[in-house]
Amino acid sequence: DTAVSQTPKYLVTQMGNDKSIKCEQNLGHDTMYWYKQDSKKFLKIMFSYNNKELIINETVPNRFSPKSPDKAHLNLHINSLELGDSAVYFCASSITSGTRGVGAFFGQGTRLTVV
Amino acid sequence: ILNVEQSPQSLHVQEGDSTNFTCSFPSSNFYALHWYRWETAKSPEALFVMTLNGDEKKKGRISATLNTKEGYSYLYIKGSQPEDSATYLCAFIGRDDKIIFGKGTRLHILP
Repeated sequence: DTAVSQTPKYLVTQMGNDKSIKCEQNLGHDTMYWYKQDSKKFLKIMFSYNNKELIINETVPNRFSPKSPDKAHLNLHINSLELGDSAVYFCASSITSGTRGVGAFFGQGTRLTVV
Repeated sequence: ILNVEQSPQSLHVQEGDSTNFTCSFPSSNFYALHWYRWETAKSPEALFVMTLNGDEKKKGRISATLNTKEGYSYLYIKGSQPEDSATYLCAFIGRDDKIIFGKGTRLHILP
């Protein structure tokens, strides 16, 4: 059983399209995150949700909108995709509220390529 | 601007040798430091969560220490094995829930 699963694993799409990446965790965690790994392999947090409420919203374009229908899911919707959005996006979850306590469990990543 | 620095960026170690590397972070607003192990084509895996100054944690041949006053943490690997080859990431967690990852130390174990 995969603890944190993301779909799709690979996504190739054209500029201007709208796409979503789904994330689900079956660990019973109450906090979920989205990270972006940039071209320099650097992980940066984008959003954090605790029990479906937004906690962290770093400086991310408005075209990125997280949606949490329940605490086991945190989907990332991206409007009007741009070339610079090409990256690997990681979903993660952790047991405690916010970012404290135990380390996060990461999904396998979604490699997004915008052409 | 808050910065988390890891050094060295890359490290080659002979199998059987011990090694260590550093994570430097802001000493103010500190809440916790996380260490992750990230193998190529896999996702990061949590190694340690450290919160108290002077903390020392151990997991098998890997251990870590924490100095929150001067803002650094060391990760030690004793008797390196090929399976230790990975990127080791540290992440600073602030009291305001800020999360900042370092760029990682890429460890290569040579047979």
